[in-house]
Amino acid sequence: NAGVMQNPRHLVRRRGQEARLRCSPMKGHSHVYWYRQLPEEGLKFMVYLQKENIIDESGMPKERFSAEFPKEGPSILRIQQVVRGDSAAYFCASQGGPNEQFFGPGTRLTVL
Amino acid sequence: EDQVTQSPEALRLQEGESSSLNCSYTVSGLRGLFWYRQDPGKGPEFLFTLYSAGEEKEKERLKATLTKKESFLHITAPKPEDSATYLCAVQATGGYQKVTFGTGTKLQVIP
Repeated sequence: NAGVMQNPRHLVRRRGQEARLRCSPMKGHSHVYWYRQLPEEGLKFMVYLQKENIIDESGMPKERFSAEFPKEGPSILRIQQVVRGDSAAYFCASQGGPNEQFFGPGTRLTVL
Repeated sequence: EDQVTQSPEALRLQEGESSSLNCSYTVSGLRGLFWYRQDPGKGPEFLFTLYSAGEEKEKERLKATLTKKESFLHITAPKPEDSATYLCAVQATGGYQKVTFGTGTKLQVIP
């Protein structure tokens, strides 16, 4: 019973490049959440998606950030023209019903 | 707006020294309160869900309790492998299933 999968686990980008983070939810789960975590800080909500729909993107910066969860394939968090301040751990969580979320191992983004 | 405050920020215990972590919350209506454990460099690992005041859940050396304003995570006779950051989160009734996280308590258990 595979858990939530994220790739890549580590991603290094230079300023101005694009970062693309992928998340495959647990089998049967149709809700995906993206969070960002800075060192020694808590999880900050970014966006909540269901298949083909963005339900809440209130935690995501209006510029450079976008997310999708297509009918087929993983959810993708895209960061365009990355800056040093985007360096963080990005976690995806999936949810099958109204209750607990299950997290992936995260993608650690480093912007040089 | 839903709020979650965890205390203390950090806790250092001797092996076998029991203690409790606190999670205070403000939410319009509680659908569920969650506890997670996070090890360095890893994603949060689900521990418990509590739904109503008076409810308790146990797992090995951990016991979570819930009142109308706070939750406690009691750690009995901790071992070094219990060292981790413990996160509390709440989910409100109404709307969709957005979850609000606290900043966590970093627990260190010394042999």
